[in-house]
Amino acid sequence: KNEVEQSPQNLTAQEGEFITINCSYSVGISALHWLQQHPGGGIVSLFMLSSGKKKHGRLIATINIQEKHSSLHITASHPRDSAVYICARGGADGLTFGKGTHLIIQP
Amino acid sequence: EAQVTQNPRYLITVTGKKLTVTCSQNMNHEYMSWYRQDPGLGLRQIYYSMNVEVTDKGDVPEGYKVSRKEKRNFPLILESPSPNQTSLYFCASSPGGFQPQHFGDGTRLSIL
Repeated sequence: KNEVEQSPQNLTAQEGEFITINCSYSVGISALHWLQQHPGGGIVSLFMLSSGKKKHGRLIATINIQEKHSSLHITASHPRDSAVYICARGGADGLTFGKGTHLIIQP
Repeated sequence: EAQVTQNPRYLITVTGKKLTVTCSQNMNHEYMSWYRQDPGLGLRQIYYSMNVEVTDKGDVPEGYKVSRKEKRNFPLILESPSPNQTSLYFCASSPGGFQPQHFGDGTRLSIL
């Protein structure tokens, strides 16, 4: 399977800052997933998108199919946003994951 | 409550002793999948199932078996576990193959 690349690997920011996490993939997709993994280990699906933009509360996900690139934005970041954020390429053969971005939001 | 339930949550065992990690979902989902997560490698797909009696290999199927005899259950079987299968395992399900997945809480396996 082709790789999914995320950047940055680690990100530390102050509370209130605007956060951007990037995801690039090398082949076409059926959908791009963004997941959140909390320090306790549990994984939650945040977004699944195949075009355009989706918003849920302070989280926004965008995708550019032509450029094979997606971004996850967090507005007005809060310490409870501290987690690992993972993007995954969805295809007919299942999911291929990026290695994750470890985000820490300091008070 | 909609959930994916994995058991056990933690297991320490020895090389060669067959083990099964169970996964059950109560959402009538057709798609189920197993992943392992390792430091530096991230999540990788082991096996997935699009429906009852339909299973396919993911990226790292070696050393694992699965079965899907009924829609709600998708057990992961390690016939002869080895130390390189020490990992954190997640089961997930979704209504179909291209929809958001619900994850179980994870099973931490240590093979000595």
